Amino acid sequence: QVQLVQSGAEVKKPGASVKVSCKASGYTFTTYGIDWVRQAPGQGLEWMGWISTYNGNRNYAQKLQGRVTMTTDTSTRTAYMELRSLRSDDTAVYYCARRSTSGDYDIWGQGTMVTVSS
Amino acid sequence: QSVLTQPPSVSGAPGQRVTISCTGSSSNIGANYDVHWYQQLPGTAPKLLIYGNDNRPSGVPDRFSGAKSGTSASLAITGLQAEDEADYYCQSYDSSLGVFGGGTKLTVL
Repeated sequence: QVQLVQSGAEVKKPGASVKVSCKASGYTFTTYGIDWVRQAPGQGLEWMGWISTYNGNRNYAQKLQGRVTMTTDTSTRTAYMELRSLRSDDTAVYYCARRSTSGDYDIWGQGTMVTVSS
Repeated sequence: QSVLTQPPSVSGAPGQRVTISCTGSSSNIGANYDVHWYQQLPGTAPKLLIYGNDNRPSGVPDRFSGAKSGTSASLAITGLQAEDEADYYCQSYDSSLGVFGGGTKLTVL
């Protein structure tokens, strides 16, 4: 079936980097872009950015510019999100989501908890 | 401060109808971007509820409906059920960047 499976939980120290993976299955990977969304504990959803799985074009949220990089590996049908210079307020569940042709997120990964703590 | 504004909470008794508003501006909803809605149960990933303003994915009950007008959108839930208790988020785009509402917690009394 169509699904996105993300990598496991991470614990990082302030200033470190984290790279979360999102493996797609059940559909043609390069037909749909991948967005990344995060949710801090008890908070709402925050859009982080988008990457085209077709040509690698990207858009990032302004507040994360310079700290985030999104990439894809079409040979393994996997999208990646790397966040650098981690701070405590980066503690959140990170989701990847498939962007449909209508612009909605019709398939979501299960989420990856990233905890930033000294 | 979210780009799209939703009420923090709404409530209703079983069987009643509730609506959740999502207010944007001329650079997002008013710029002809579609609005999409998600339901998030505790501890789970969001689930697509309404896409393209007023379309339901297969499997979503017709008790859920969406509408859009001008710079605002709304989600209506009729025949409230206990299982509808969840957080609801609207989503759109602003200058091609994704934006979400702050979320609305629905309590079924």
